[in-house]
Amino acid sequence: KAGVTQTPRYLIKTRGQQVTLSCSPISGHRSVSWYQQTPGQGLQFLFEYFSETQRNKGNFPGRFSGRQFSNSRSEMNVSTLELGDSALYLCASSLPGQRGTDTQYFGPGTRLTVL
Amino acid sequence: GQQVMQIPQYQHVQEGEDFTTYCNSSTTLSNIQWYKQRPGGHPVFLIQLVKSGEVKKQKRLTFQFGEAKKNSSLHITATQTTDVGTYFCAGWASYDKVIFGPGTSLSVIP
Repeated sequence: KAGVTQTPRYLIKTRGQQVTLSCSPISGHRSVSWYQQTPGQGLQFLFEYFSETQRNKGNFPGRFSGRQFSNSRSEMNVSTLELGDSALYLCASSLPGQRGTDTQYFGPGTRLTVL
Repeated sequence: GQQVMQIPQYQHVQEGEDFTTYCNSSTTLSNIQWYKQRPGGHPVFLIQLVKSGEVKKQKRLTFQFGEAKKNSSLHITATQTTDVGTYFCAGWASYDKVIFGPGTSLSVIP
């Protein structure tokens, strides 16, 4: 089975721009979660989508948004980029098992640099 | 709010020495998961613990879940250079919320 794929792998943007990141989960996985990873803050949960609905949300400003399509693929959008948004953005997919027991399978991430 | 802490933040060991990282939650957890992230890589699932006092082993790795389900540990016996990476614990406080610890970065000196 193919793993979680994320595109693009690297991205350079300037302040004020917006960006869209894409994630394709493992076949059969219906839950997709997004995380921001930075050296200072570690892994921070952004949001989770299940069956095209946002099921859970972390403490990030409204500039961060996402959506999930009927094929479970997910996109994350960040508008009005700030320097502090530079990070590795990780997507993780999981089976629709019992909540709280889902093993999360992470993609390779998208490295976003904001200049 | 719920917090998950890990100690130590960094650990440097000589190859062959043992290593332990500890994970502590401010609230009772329903379960806990451990992940490993190699340098330049992404987190990879290692194991999940659900029961109070549970102990699981994977070759040289031993995982424990505390009796109160608020802490956990990962112990590696006789470290090897392949053990290098950052080890994260992830605690589920309820069935819809997971919090990752800040991780323990392990360096192994050959």
